[in-house]
Amino acid sequence: GAVVSQHPSRVICKSGTSVKIECRSLDFQATTMFWYRQFPKQSLMLMATSNEGSKATYEQGVEKDKFLINHASLTLSTLTVTSAHPEDSSFYICSAKDTSSGNTIYFGEGSWLTVV
Amino acid sequence: DAKTTQPTSMDCAEGRAANLPCNHSTISGNEYVYWYRQIHSQGPQYIIHGLKNNETNEMASLIITEDRKSSTLILPHATLRDTAVYYCIARASGQAGTALIFGKGTTLSVSS
Repeated sequence: GAVVSQHPSRVICKSGTSVKIECRSLDFQATTMFWYRQFPKQSLMLMATSNEGSKATYEQGVEKDKFLINHASLTLSTLTVTSAHPEDSSFYICSAKDTSSGNTIYFGEGSWLTVV
Repeated sequence: DAKTTQPTSMDCAEGRAANLPCNHSTISGNEYVYWYRQIHSQGPQYIIHGLKNNETNEMASLIITEDRKSSTLILPHATLRDTAVYYCIARASGQAGTALIFGKGTTLSVSS
């Protein structure tokens, strides 16, 4: 299947700092990517939809100024957690839609964020 | 997207077939049934999807009932590495630009 890669896989940052997570579609172009957050023993929760060349669409309750999403190219979307706090510690997962394979959605490996 | 219902957990012996059921009684005609799985601490992995015909690939088989109100994912020879949470999602073809919404899924435990 198609490959979606996230970087970094694990990151530790101090409270108040910002951290950027990258999501890349390695073998296909993705006009649409999605960002999720997952807390321990819970299911994935959609945060936002990232559209290439336009503003992201955020789910209700997700602060757009805190979770900055940029989708500047057809293979890269970034999520920046600004002014991170310990409660932002979570597993962040991106996914991308592969239009060449019937719009199947593929997921990245996920990124563990720990804010200390 | 139509609501799907899955058992919370299932057990399977290694080497045996794992049959994971999913109910989607309100599914509409243009909604596909997708299956993903999530192994602990990893991103979800696409398994298979179908509309109304049975499907098979190198990972699994998908059996959809004739009325499309339920389906079964079959892992023919389960291994310990198949231990994961399995998600069944109904999604319309016209919603290609929208995200997958995950329920709680079925936790499959494969033991030796």
